[in-house]
Amino acid sequence: KAGVTQTPRYLIKTRGQQVTLSCSPISGHRSVSWYQQTPGQGLQFLFEYFSETQRNKGNFPGRFSGRQFSNSRSEMNVSTLELGDSALYLCASSLDVKPQETQYFGPGTRLLVL
Amino acid sequence: EDQVTQSPEALRLQEGESSSLNCSYTVSGLRGLFWYRQDPGKGPEFLFTLYSAGEEKEKERLKATLTKKESFLHITAPKPEDSATYLCAVPGSARQLTFGSGTQLTVLP
Repeated sequence: KAGVTQTPRYLIKTRGQQVTLSCSPISGHRSVSWYQQTPGQGLQFLFEYFSETQRNKGNFPGRFSGRQFSNSRSEMNVSTLELGDSALYLCASSLDVKPQETQYFGPGTRLLVL
Repeated sequence: EDQVTQSPEALRLQEGESSSLNCSYTVSGLRGLFWYRQDPGKGPEFLFTLYSAGEEKEKERLKATLTKKESFLHITAPKPEDSATYLCAVPGSARQLTFGSGTQLTVLP
């Protein structure tokens, strides 16, 4: 079974631009979560989607948003990019929304903001 | 607020030198504890889930154990290919994972 896929893998943007990242979950998985990973803050939760609805959101500004489609694929968008948004953005999928359900991560999208 | 602390931050071992990594946690109610392995520039790779104190799981040279306050990842006779950052995480009531800062393991040949 194919794993979680994320596109693009690498991205370079300049301050003020916006960016859209895509995530395709493991086949049959309906929950998608997004995390930001930086050397200083580690892995931090952004938001989670299930059945096209945002179920939970982490402590990030409104510039960070996302959505989920009927096929469970998800996108996240960051508007008005700042230098501090440079990070590895990780998507994780799981079968459903039980807290104890394992989340499987994709390879990530490396975003560099100049 | 859930908290996860991992130690040591970095660990260098000679090939074949066994050791343990620690993950201490504070949660309002344990819903599981996850161990992941992360190689540079890649996403975390799932290793184990532990659900209750006393539970143990093994995979090749790795063995994870769980108590009411902490988890250990024991590495027996490690090889250079075991070099990676090992992360532990706990899920909150709303499912978001709280991660520790990780232990960067280097196994020297």
